Amino acid sequence: DVKVTQSSRYLVKRTGEKVFLECVQDMDHENMFWYRQDPGLGLRLIYFSYDVKMKEKGDIPEGYSVSREKKERFSLILESASTNQTSMYLCASSGHTTGVNQPQHFGDGTRLSIL
Amino acid sequence: GIQVEQSPPDLILQEGANSTLRCNFSDSVNNLQWFHQNPWGQLINLFYIPSGTKQNGRLSATTVATERYSLLYISSSQTTDSGVYFCAVGPISNDYKLSFGAGTTVTVRA
Repeated sequence: DVKVTQSSRYLVKRTGEKVFLECVQDMDHENMFWYRQDPGLGLRLIYFSYDVKMKEKGDIPEGYSVSREKKERFSLILESASTNQTSMYLCASSGHTTGVNQPQHFGDGTRLSIL
Repeated sequence: GIQVEQSPPDLILQEGANSTLRCNFSDSVNNLQWFHQNPWGQLINLFYIPSGTKQNGRLSATTVATERYSLLYISSSQTTDSGVYFCAVGPISNDYKLSFGAGTTVTVRA
């Protein structure tokens, strides 16, 4: 079974802090994703990465950056946390063979509160 | 971007009942997935189904890509089927990028 592990289930930070959310997958997947989920807005893609050191912006990248130095690890960084970044953050990974996408598998999520 | 509409928004079922959830999308897709989010917030991948029909136990799904819709069938529902069901699609131009529908909230009563 695919295992996607997010470093924290719950996290409380203060405005202006630099926040790191970590995600690790154990299936040697090429693709990794960061989403946020908000009531009434559903899941929205922040960033994704299709290879080590490669990244692409999703639909809502403002205020976030990412890092993928190793294939199994994808980090989401809030450079200067703000209260409107309080949300549930979900990491996902998927494999990819030529021309065919594979299912995305999600971690358990990190509920982040910015005070 | 691609629009994804799910219906109905809410569904209340008696245990043992069957149901159909629908997902309509606004453009051609290369990637369509169904997910179940349980009451604890965990998102589980149910199907990767850009076209055709698949079955997994009491769940099955059909995607008619030419008509831009997908259906998820739940048969003999159980209380553990409760949660939110999401449809997500990826366009041909960039099929990594999934756009999620708003979900169907299913409540199964004993």
